Amino acid sequence: QVQLQESGPGLVKPSQTLSLTCTVSGGSISSGSYYWSWVRQPAGKGLEWIGLIYTSGSTNYNPSLKSRVTISVDMSKKEFSLRLSSVTAADTAVYYCARGVRGLTGYYGMDVWGQGTTVTVSS
Amino acid sequence: DIQMTQSPSSLSASVGDRVTIICRASQSISSYLNWYQQKPGKAPKVLIYAASSLQSGVPSRFSGSGSGTDFTLTISSLQREDFATYYCQQSYSTPFTFGPGTKVDIK
Repeated sequence: QVQLQESGPGLVKPSQTLSLTCTVSGGSISSGSYYWSWVRQPAGKGLEWIGLIYTSGSTNYNPSLKSRVTISVDMSKKEFSLRLSSVTAADTAVYYCARGVRGLTGYYGMDVWGQGTTVTVSS
Repeated sequence: DIQMTQSPSSLSASVGDRVTIICRASQSISSYLNWYQQKPGKAPKVLIYAASSLQSGVPSRFSGSGSGTDFTLTISSLQREDFATYYCQQSYSTPFTFGPGTKVDIK
């Protein structure tokens, strides 16, 4: 079955750019039935949706992060990526990539998740 | 943004108990409501999508109901492996938003 795996630096300095990649295995990344998303969770806190990308390359970002976020997809590598610029300590969190299901008239839940990767912002 | 609230924020229950968690949206989200279970150190796992559809592989003791602004997740007979935190999430419109979570622990 489809599996997702996040990768990237675990430590990022303040004001720098956080970059993570999610690799899709065991299935296709090109199906139009899905969207590909990033979600984060600070330690001991709740879940925050960061944004999503379709295989067309079209994106949708959380307005709270929109000015700093870029999500991209590389179909040939079966990967999608997150870049978050100008990071601060408030961006320290576990970052998850996830696959979401698209319905005919809207979005459904995220049915496959990566294990998560911890990113700490510190000098 | 659509705000999601959950009640209670935590509850203590015994194995075999019937448990109900409530989720409310700040505006109508039709049936675009999903429920997740998260255990410590693990990624969330979807239990229910579209308010009442059981995700494949999820035990039938989990059920969801509701539409519009009010939703419930019910565990008919709590099992030991169900002790976790539960989140609701609306997928009606972006930005997708999650409820603050309900922690279910052992009485």
